[in-house]
Amino acid sequence: NAGVTQTPKFQVLKTGQSMTLQCAQDMNHEYMSWYRQDPGMGLRLIHYSVGAGITDQGEVPNGYNVSRSTTEDFPLRLLSAAPSQTSVYFCASSYSWRGRTDTQYFGPGTRLTVL
Amino acid sequence: AQKITQTQPGMFVQEKEAVTLDCTYDTSDQSYGLFWYKQPSSGEMIFLIYQGSYDEQNATEGRYSLNFQKARKSANLVISASQLGDSAMYFCAHETGNQFYFGTGTSLTVIP
Repeated sequence: NAGVTQTPKFQVLKTGQSMTLQCAQDMNHEYMSWYRQDPGMGLRLIHYSVGAGITDQGEVPNGYNVSRSTTEDFPLRLLSAAPSQTSVYFCASSYSWRGRTDTQYFGPGTRLTVL
Repeated sequence: AQKITQTQPGMFVQEKEAVTLDCTYDTSDQSYGLFWYKQPSSGEMIFLIYQGSYDEQNATEGRYSLNFQKARKSANLVISASQLGDSAMYFCAHETGNQFYFGTGTSLTVIP
């Protein structure tokens, strides 16, 4: 198993550009999520999904879109990049049952810089 | 929003000694999960230990144990017999309703 994979590892954007961060998992996990990690602030949940076709907002969803057309993939779209979106982005996945989410497994992260 | 507090920005411990990393949480939910993750300087997030709110016994995983005090809303991580490879950032996380909230982390340095 590859686990949770993320592409790209690094990305530099100009203000106003759009892009998609890719995330895929091969563990048949129902739950997938996106976080951003900023210095001194820990990880903050952007969006999450409890299954294909189902997505919901987390703590800091503004400026980001997600979709979940398959169990395996959960891309994160930046609509119009801003310098405030410079961060490290992590994707994670886990089993979800009885309304509870189990231990999350994280991808290696994408370091995004917006100029 | 739920709140997770890690009050120790940095900690030092002598190799082979035990260390406790503090975590408190604020929730009115009855059903929730508590997690600890390790983030070494290479950047990946590594799961360490989990405690469910209804679990009566404290969780243990090898050298890691979670000191769960429900009434105090605390979930401290205890690392026994520290090793040089334990030097890293440690994050406490709280899960409820499919949403995870992370603390700001504690930087642990193990001294030889």
